[in-house]
Amino acid sequence: AQSVTQLDSHVSVSEGTPVLLRCNYSSSYSPSLFWYVQHPNKGLQLLLKYTSAATLVKGINGFEAEFKKSETSFHLTKPSAHMSDAAEYFCVVSGGTGKLIFGQGTTLQVKP
Amino acid sequence: SAVISQKPSRDICQRGTSLTIQCQVDSQVTMMFWYRQQPGQSLTLIATANQGSEATYESGFVIDKFPISRPNLTFSTLTVSNMSPEDSSIYLCSVEAGDSYEQYFGPGTRLTVT
Repeated sequence: AQSVTQLDSHVSVSEGTPVLLRCNYSSSYSPSLFWYVQHPNKGLQLLLKYTSAATLVKGINGFEAEFKKSETSFHLTKPSAHMSDAAEYFCVVSGGTGKLIFGQGTTLQVKP
Repeated sequence: SAVISQKPSRDICQRGTSLTIQCQVDSQVTMMFWYRQQPGQSLTLIATANQGSEATYESGFVIDKFPISRPNLTFSTLTVSNMSPEDSSIYLCSVEAGDSYEQYFGPGTRLTVT
């Protein structure tokens, strides 16, 4: 069975400093992995996806994630946080047959 | 990408009543999904709706409580029946687009049951 674990429920950074949101996955086959962002009172937006091509995936708004099979990780990073990055972030794995399995989410706080 | 709209965007309902949520997509899609997001929680899949067949429900969700219709390739409805305060959640529909299982989500329906 597929599952994801987001290792931090809450991350706080200062504006201009790097962002690291950690995600580990479990999958019985080569997974498709995603990061989604949810801003307050707004819908979910796809940040980036990994689908067994390049292990370093670049997404929107300067975010990127690296797929590490040996560590079963798919951490999300950004070199410099912006105030507008404050939101809820979900690491997601495809469960097959179109089903998506969401992690519990990480709240990113960006301090001025 | 697909553009998805949901109606209503929010509602306040009394316990024991039912609410039907509509999901409209701007293109034809095979698979549509309904998710629930309880307050402060992550998303949980309720069911998968394919046009022309019965919806497939996840463990913990039943058709009598969450009947789903999928009359064509651009539209689906989810009904929350006999509501209780525990049904207060955001309900989201999504569609699969592209060839890599990525999904696009509607804006959600925020339901409060009093």
